Amino acid sequence: SQTIHQWPATLVQPVGSPLSLECTVEGTSNPNLYWYRQAAGRGLQLLFYSIGIDQISSEVPQNLSASRPQDRQFILSSKKLLLSDSGFYLCAWNTGFDQPQHFGDGTRLSIL
Amino acid sequence: DAKTTQPPSMDCAEGRAANLPCNHSTISGNEYVYWYRQIHSQGPQYIIHGLKNNETNEMASLIITEDRKSSTLILPHATLRDTAVYYCIVYNLLPFSGNTGKLIFGQGTTLQVKP
Repeated sequence: SQTIHQWPATLVQPVGSPLSLECTVEGTSNPNLYWYRQAAGRGLQLLFYSIGIDQISSEVPQNLSASRPQDRQFILSSKKLLLSDSGFYLCAWNTGFDQPQHFGDGTRLSIL
Repeated sequence: DAKTTQPPSMDCAEGRAANLPCNHSTISGNEYVYWYRQIHSQGPQYIIHGLKNNETNEMASLIITEDRKSSTLILPHATLRDTAVYYCIVYNLLPFSGNTGKLIFGQGTTLQVKP
């Protein structure tokens, strides 16, 4: 069966520090991968999606970037974190746009 | 922007059926209705989806009205573990339509299952 892993589960970082969040999917090949952010009390916002290795699309301009160095690995990064980057970051996958997305357990990021 | 309207909260007694309504009056012919739920501090969990016909799986049933302007998610025997925020989402699956696969989550319905 397919599984999705995100780490770390929680992270506290100072303003201006770099960020790297990792997501991996097991049990499937060539998945679509997604990064969402959920700010406190708000809905999920799609940040990036990828349909293949090194193929990244950005949904909103921001302080973050994404990379997909391997088929089942999706990384969310920042060179310098802002206070506004705080939130709950979720990775998701599916096997095509016509299939349900399945989410990981998320990373709760706090910026101090 | 979310294209659905849901009540902000509902209560349900444990063991009873939970019926969660959703209005999507502007839904178009190629848009599906998806339901997810999110238990506090976890990622959203996929429940069920449908286009025109009613659907049932091991988690729930989805009833879509004939005009497709509204739907109801039914949890047949709610348990305390079903307490969560339930999201109804309309989703365009047309390929090559510029669809990014973006799920647009609204505020959802907070379902509280009570003993």
